[in-house]
Amino acid sequence: EAGVAQSPRYKIIEKRQSVAFWCNPISGHATLYWYQQILGQGPKLLIQFQNNGVVDDSQLPKDRFSAERLKGVDSTLKIQPAKLEDSAVYLCASSLVRRTSGRVSSYNEQFFGPGTRLTVL
Amino acid sequence: QKEVEQNSGPLSVPEGAIASLNCTYSDRVSQSFFWYRQYSGKSPELIMSIYSNGDKEDGRFTAQLNKASQYVSLLIRDSQPSDSATYLCAVRGNYGQNFVFGPGTRLSVLP
Repeated sequence: EAGVAQSPRYKIIEKRQSVAFWCNPISGHATLYWYQQILGQGPKLLIQFQNNGVVDDSQLPKDRFSAERLKGVDSTLKIQPAKLEDSAVYLCASSLVRRTSGRVSSYNEQFFGPGTRLTVL
Repeated sequence: QKEVEQNSGPLSVPEGAIASLNCTYSDRVSQSFFWYRQYSGKSPELIMSIYSNGDKEDGRFTAQLNKASQYVSLLIRDSQPSDSATYLCAVRGNYGQNFVFGPGTRLSVLP
C-alpha cells in the first residue's frame, strides 16, 4: 500500500513570496490533515478535511494560509505571503475513520507523509 | 484549548534498560491515545495506539493508560541505540475531533 505522498520535499523562498505544497493521501482515507512542525516542537494542526469539507481550521492563519481539497482526494496548502516564522516542516497526514456501533474503532490512526521543509529567508 | 504535556528530555538510558516516557493531557473526554516515534529529519511514525485503561503490549513496547489520572505512558524494554529518537504523544477526542500532539520527549539510548 502506497503511503502519503508530498511534494516538494524542500523549498527555500524569500519572505513575502508565495509557496504551495501538495499532498496525496493513502487511497481510501477520507480524512486529511495538514500540520506545521517547528524545530523542537510537536506538530500543530493547521487544517483537517473530511472528504472535501473542512472539519477544523481554527489554528490556520487565514490571512496568509489557505488550503483546499476540491475532489476529496489530494490537497494543496498555500502560504501567501510568507514570513520568516513560517519556516518549518509541513506535514500531511491521512486517516481512515470507522465507527462501529457508535464507538470509536481502532481505525483512526493517522499516517504521515515525508513532509516539506520550508525555509523562509 | 486541549493540552498535551511531555518532558522534553533528553532522557538518557543505557542499552538494554527500560525507557519510560510519560504524557499528561488536559481534556478529560479524550478517547484515543497514540505514541509516535520521530527520527531526526523524518516524519512521525506510529508505534502504539491505546483506547482503554490498562496496559497494551506490542513487542518491546508497552503503552499504559490511566484516564482517571489523565496520564498515558510508553515503556520501551531492552532499549537499543536505534530507539534513540523523539517520542510524540498524541491525544484525540471523539469522532471527528482533531489530534493534539505533545512537544515530544527526546530519548537517547547509550551503547
